[in-house]
Amino acid sequence: EAGVAQSPRYKIIEKRQSVAFWCNPISGHATLYWYQQILGQGPKLLIQFQNNGVVDDSQLPKDRFSAERLKGVDSTLKIQPAKLEDSAVYLCASSLRDGTYNEQFFGPGTRLTVL
Amino acid sequence: DQQVKQNSPSLSVQEGRISILNCDYTNSMFDYFLWYKKYPAEGPTFLISISSIKDKNEDGRFTVFLNKSAKHLSLHIVPSQPGDSAVYFCAASAPSGTYKYIFGTGTRLKVLA
Repeated sequence: EAGVAQSPRYKIIEKRQSVAFWCNPISGHATLYWYQQILGQGPKLLIQFQNNGVVDDSQLPKDRFSAERLKGVDSTLKIQPAKLEDSAVYLCASSLRDGTYNEQFFGPGTRLTVL
Repeated sequence: DQQVKQNSPSLSVQEGRISILNCDYTNSMFDYFLWYKKYPAEGPTFLISISSIKDKNEDGRFTVFLNKSAKHLSLHIVPSQPGDSAVYFCAASAPSGTYKYIFGTGTRLKVLA
């Protein structure tokens, strides 16, 4: 079974530039998550999708971050414009369904460095 | 407001001995807890979980203990192996509708050969 795919693996940008990350979840997984992991901290949930609908985006900085999951499969996370404090690893995860406790399967992450 | 805390950033253990990783939480509504393991340049992988109706769950060399009154859980690895060297995150969830996980800051375990 293929795991969660993410690209790019690494990205370096200047502050105020824009950046986008892509995630392809495990086939058949209805729930998709984007996490931000700052160095020395645990993953923090940014947004959670159930199919192509948002179920939780309470910690997403909506003035600069946006995410979409068209057709309930792949997802993109965008930052525009980036700030220095956005430097982090962005993790995508997926789980089989929502509405109960599920094992979340994580991708390898995208390491973003904002200079 | 750190609802899930791992107060030990790092731990070193000799191969073959027991590793004990600790986690404390503040939200009494949490009723499901998990441990994830993370190797460098990889995403976290699920290790073991426990529901609040239990106080212990075992899976091979890994055992998780839950003390609800103390709001504390621990992960025991016996015997520890060099391949167990990784960062371990505990996570907790409440039946809030989204069942989202709150992660701790992680403990880096180094098993010395």
